Amino acid sequence: DGGITQSPKYLFRKEGQNVTLSCEQNLNHDAMYWYRQDPGQGLRLIYYSQIVNDFQKGDIAEGYSVSREKKESFPLTVTSAQKNPTAFYLCASSIVPGLDEQFFGPGTRLTVL
Amino acid sequence: QKEVEQNSGPLSVPEGAIASLNCTYSDRGSQSFFWYRQYSGKSPELIMFIYSNGDKEDGRFTAQLNKASQYVSLLIRDSQPSDSATYLCAVKTTDDMRFGAGTRLTVKP
Repeated sequence: DGGITQSPKYLFRKEGQNVTLSCEQNLNHDAMYWYRQDPGQGLRLIYYSQIVNDFQKGDIAEGYSVSREKKESFPLTVTSAQKNPTAFYLCASSIVPGLDEQFFGPGTRLTVL
Repeated sequence: QKEVEQNSGPLSVPEGAIASLNCTYSDRGSQSFFWYRQYSGKSPELIMFIYSNGDKEDGRFTAQLNKASQYVSLLIRDSQPSDSATYLCAVKTTDDMRFGAGTRLTVKP
């Protein structure tokens, strides 16, 4: 089955810890995205990547880091510098950069204890 | 800031009725418009997209776009309880994709 997978589904972090959220796709999509969703707010873009070994900051990149070493993988690290990391994190992909339709993975719910 | 606005709801309709969801956007250069459905605790699922002024129908769903008024809507005919979800409007602006906060729809049996 083609699709986007994210792991883990739920993640708990202690303050001061870095955690890495996994995102993998086997759709052969060039572009991948990370969004954050908070209750009552729209999706906010953290980082996006249009091609391997290249990525750009979105609206709320502070406290996050990413890598794109392989086309199918786009992990997100939530660092201790992110002051309010508790949220629902969504990874998405699109066939080519700038092509409109984005498809989402199932999400990771991160809670800081 | 390029904004996408939606009424947060909740919008409640009886089963079998037409649900009307609305979205306005600020960037006149916006090119493409999308509706996503998001069930509680799940990720958004693309259900409709529209690029040109007018109506686009897909089964029980109709998307309507009016670029002059910067307005896009989603109509759901013969609403079912399984349609109960949050509906996100997304707009491709001149620079990026912007999402609204969503409208929560409840269809009562």
